[in-house]
Parts: sequence; C-alpha cells; structure tokens
Amino acid sequence: KAGVTQTPRYLIKTRGQQVTLSCSPISGHRSVSWYQQTPGQGLQFLFEYFSETQRNKGNFPGRFSGRQFSNSRSEMNVSTLELGDSALYLCASSRGMNTEAFFGQGTRLTVV
Amino acid sequence: AQSVTQPDIHITVSEGASLELRCNYSYGATPYLFWYVQSPGQGLQLLLKYFSGDTLVQGIKGFEAEFKRSQSSFNLRKPSVHWSDAAEYFCAVGDAGGTSYGKLTFGQGTILTVHP
Repeated sequence: KAGVTQTPRYLIKTRGQQVTLSCSPISGHRSVSWYQQTPGQGLQFLFEYFSETQRNKGNFPGRFSGRQFSNSRSEMNVSTLELGDSALYLCASSRGMNTEAFFGQGTRLTVV
Repeated sequence: AQSVTQPDIHITVSEGASLELRCNYSYGATPYLFWYVQSPGQGLQLLLKYFSGDTLVQGIKGFEAEFKRSQSSFNLRKPSVHWSDAAEYFCAVGDAGGTSYGKLTFGQGTILTVHP
C-alpha cells in the first residue's frame, strides 16, 4: 500500500513568487492536513480538508491557501513568497475523524 | 486551547540503555495522543497512538507509552535503545472533541542521540 506522496521534494523559489505543493493521500483516506515545520516554530498546523471542504485552518496569513479534489488529492499554495516561508511542508492523511494521521516525506521549500 | 510540552530538548543515552521521553499535555477532556519519530530531512513516522482503553500502549520498533490522566502525561519508553533510534521524537495531541479530522498539536520535539 503506497504511503502519502508529496511532490516536489525540493523547491527553490524567489521572494515574491508563488508556489504550489501537491499531496496524494493513502488510498481510501479522505482527510488531508498540512503542516509547516521550521527550526524556530516547530510543527504548526496550516489547514485540513475532508470531502473537498476545508474543516479547520491554522493561524497563517491569507497568502497560504489550499484545496482538495474529488479524489482526495490536495494542493497548497503560497503566494507572494517571503524569506520566512522557507520550511519543510508536511502533508498527512487519515481515514477521517478520530483516526491516526500518516505523514508524507515533505516538500523542502527554500525562498531566496 | 490544547498544548503539548516536551521538557527535554535533547537526550543522550548509550546504546543498550533504557529510554524515557517525557510528554505533558493540556486538553479539556480525554485526548487522542500520539508519538511520532522523524529522521533528518524526512517526514514523520507514527510510533504509537492512544485513543482509549488500556493506558499502556505498544508501538513499533519496541516502543511503548503510558497514558496517565492524573499527571496529564504520555511518556514514551524503550527498554534497550539501538543506534538506529537516534532521531527527533514528537509527542502530539489530537482533537477528540469531534470537530477535527486530523488536526494535531505537536510538542517542540526531543532530539535523541545514541552513543555506541
């Protein structure tokens, strides 16, 4: 059974650009959540989706957005990139409410 | 708001020694609790989980954790550490209130170094 797949694994962008990250959940999982990991702030929740609807959102500016498709795959977008957006972005999938989450390998975003 | 505290930023043990990583949580009711492990540059791997029932839970790689409601703790243990256990360990609490599908609140992590 394939795990959570995140693409791309590494990304270098210039300040002011926008970026889209992709996450394919484990087959049968309908919930996808996103996290940002930085050395200073640790692991911070960005948002979560279930059945193509955003269910919860973390405390991040509106430049961070996401969506989920009918096949449960999810994308997150960051517009007008700032240097501080450099981080490891992790996606996790779960079957639904009250179930454990499994994480992908992450996308390492570097903003220069 | 829920929160998780891992008091130890860095722990060093000798190979073969026992290990205990501490985790304290703040949550209004009985939470869902998890331990994850992360190797450098990698994603998080689920070690074990507690939802309800037996307060001593077994996980992968020989790890176990005990939920103690009175102490709001969920400490991770392993009787004999292997060099391959060197990594960063995260304790997390999930929202059991029925409003979340996967949102987790993480502690700051504990880096484990294993000496030969």
